[in-house]
Amino acid sequence: QKEVEQNSGPLSVPEGAIASLNCTYSDRGSQSFFWYRQYSGKSPELIMSIYSNGDKEDGRFTAQLNKASQYVSLLIRDSQPSDSATYLCAVKGWSDYKLSFGAGTTVTVRA
Amino acid sequence: EAGVAQSPRYKIIEKRQSVAFWCNPISGHATLYWYQQILGQGPKLLIQFQNNGVVDDSQLPKDRFSAERLKGVDSTLKIQPAKLEDSAVYLCASSPNGYEQYFGPGTRLTVT
Repeated sequence: QKEVEQNSGPLSVPEGAIASLNCTYSDRGSQSFFWYRQYSGKSPELIMSIYSNGDKEDGRFTAQLNKASQYVSLLIRDSQPSDSATYLCAVKGWSDYKLSFGAGTTVTVRA
Repeated sequence: EAGVAQSPRYKIIEKRQSVAFWCNPISGHATLYWYQQILGQGPKLLIQFQNNGVVDDSQLPKDRFSAERLKGVDSTLKIQPAKLEDSAVYLCASSPNGYEQYFGPGTRLTVT
């Protein structure tokens, strides 16, 4: 059973600042990593996927993966009030098809 | 492209009653998932289908939950009889490749 841990929130950042979200996972064989955004009362929305060590940038979002440290992070640059949501880290191993989710970190961007 | 469709969006039932949820995945997506999300937690996989075959149902409480995916497209998830602890959002997701998953709007179930 893969375990996925996220830094406990809530995380409050001022508008325009960088929000940094962290996630660690227990299964060293995990190969695929995803970040989902979930607005209150809505379903999760895929915002980033990362499969290789290093950084992956998409607009204001940057995902960082370090498989040796079993660590994946998400940076949100120039945070906007519309970024206020819960961010879910999800990890998929190579030996099974299951996607395991963390409990999420709630981000609030202060105007 | 139409997204994942689910119905109903909300359901309130009494304990020991039965309930069914319906999901229509994104066209062409062979993989379909049902998740349970309890408030404050991440989604938990209940069952995964590849076409109309079950890939993983290890976390499905089979004494009360059942699911089927006829013809490899639509799927239904049933709970019978419901318990108070089944109150949650039931999410359906589909994937074109078994990696990126796209979620439907969910069904919020309240068991009283």
